[in-house]
Amino acid sequence: AQTVTQSQPEMSVQEAETVTLSCTYDTSESNYYLFWYKQPPSRQMILVIRQEAYKQQNATENRFSVNFQKAAKSFSLKISDSQLGDTAMYFCAFQGAQKLVFGQGTRLTINP
Amino acid sequence: ETGVTQSPTHLIKTRGQQVTLRCSSQSGHNTVSWYQQALGQGPQFIFQYYREEENGRGNFPPRFSGLQFPNYSSELNVNALELDDSALYLCASSPVAGEVQGTQYFGPGTRLTVL
Repeated sequence: AQTVTQSQPEMSVQEAETVTLSCTYDTSESNYYLFWYKQPPSRQMILVIRQEAYKQQNATENRFSVNFQKAAKSFSLKISDSQLGDTAMYFCAFQGAQKLVFGQGTRLTINP
Repeated sequence: ETGVTQSPTHLIKTRGQQVTLRCSSQSGHNTVSWYQQALGQGPQFIFQYYREEENGRGNFPPRFSGLQFPNYSSELNVNALELDDSALYLCASSPVAGEVQGTQYFGPGTRLTVL
């Protein structure tokens, strides 16, 4: 069974700083996807970034980028120039055949 | 482009009752998945529907059932409600082809409270 571990329950940084959220996963599958989702207090789960396991190049989406280390089964999210609107729960997720397997989440607070 | 929608937003039921939650998938998406998110936890996979058939199920009892309709909308039914069923229920739709194949896009959720 796949598992996803987020070792940082909470993080807090000042606006405009860079922050990195950690995620590790365990799987025996070779073909899969990894995601970071953001869940603000409004509770809607919003896709932040997507990474295909077969791609060596790390995905980037504007201020968001990942460091994907397939051999180490590590998938961290870097948020550059953090903004107040980035305050949310962040979930790392693994997808194999059908379902998403989520980590426990990291509560990120951006302070003014 | 219309995103994933869910109804109702909030729902309060009593133990033993039955509930139906509804989801309309995003335009162009033909796969729907349902997740249960308890307070302070990550979402847990309930099941997925593709072409009106169940296409995978998580570790949930048979009193959790679902349907998918020809227009790709979906229902989640829960019978004999228990207090532990209180949670946020999330629906996600995904395309089976294209650049973002398999990527799941979520609706705003339905908050179910069982008293």
